[in-house]
Amino acid sequence: DVKVTQSSRYLVKRTGEKVFLECVQDMDHENMFWYRQDPGLGLRLIYFSYDVKMKEKGDIPEGYSVSREKKERFSLILESASTNQTSMYLCASSQPTSHGFFGPGTRLTVL
Amino acid sequence: AQRVTQPEKLLSVFKGAPVELKCNYSYSGSPELFWYVQYSRQRLQLLLRHISRESIKGFTADLNKGETSFHLKKPFAQEEDSAMYYCALRDSSYKLIFGSGTRLLVRP
Repeated sequence: DVKVTQSSRYLVKRTGEKVFLECVQDMDHENMFWYRQDPGLGLRLIYFSYDVKMKEKGDIPEGYSVSREKKERFSLILESASTNQTSMYLCASSQPTSHGFFGPGTRLTVL
Repeated sequence: AQRVTQPEKLLSVFKGAPVELKCNYSYSGSPELFWYVQYSRQRLQLLLRHISRESIKGFTADLNKGETSFHLKKPFAQEEDSAMYYCALRDSSYKLIFGSGTRLLVRP
């Protein structure tokens, strides 16, 4: 059974903190994605990685960075968390010819 | 730029009524389109993709390139169909672009 896991289901951080969200997939997928999901806005792509150490900005990369040192792991980093980054964060992975498989999400609250 | 538009935030129907969730896209190439569903407290999962042309849980979707649409349809809605539905497009660089989603509420 394919699996995408995210390090935390719920996270509460303070403004200005550095935040790491981790995502791991066990399907040997080349592509990995980070989205944020907000009511009325749907899923917005933050960053996309198509190979180890390769990344591409999505629609809303400001305030975020990513790291992909190993194929199975894709990390999202909030350098200095702000209240407007309070959201549900979804990680996904795919092969070029497959659909995306999603993790359970991390609900981040920034106080 | 590629874009996926779902014009309805909420669609409310009675059990047994037909359902159509609208999706329009803008993309200059040949897109690959998907419908995803998210049931309450569950992760987002694939419902169907246009290349497979199959019916899943009674839902179908046809790609209409002329109207750039990929509407999701079901002839008789069930209460268990209540969920968030997202239309998505995969572009030539393999990015998945999603619409804003439609919440389907099926009333008894």
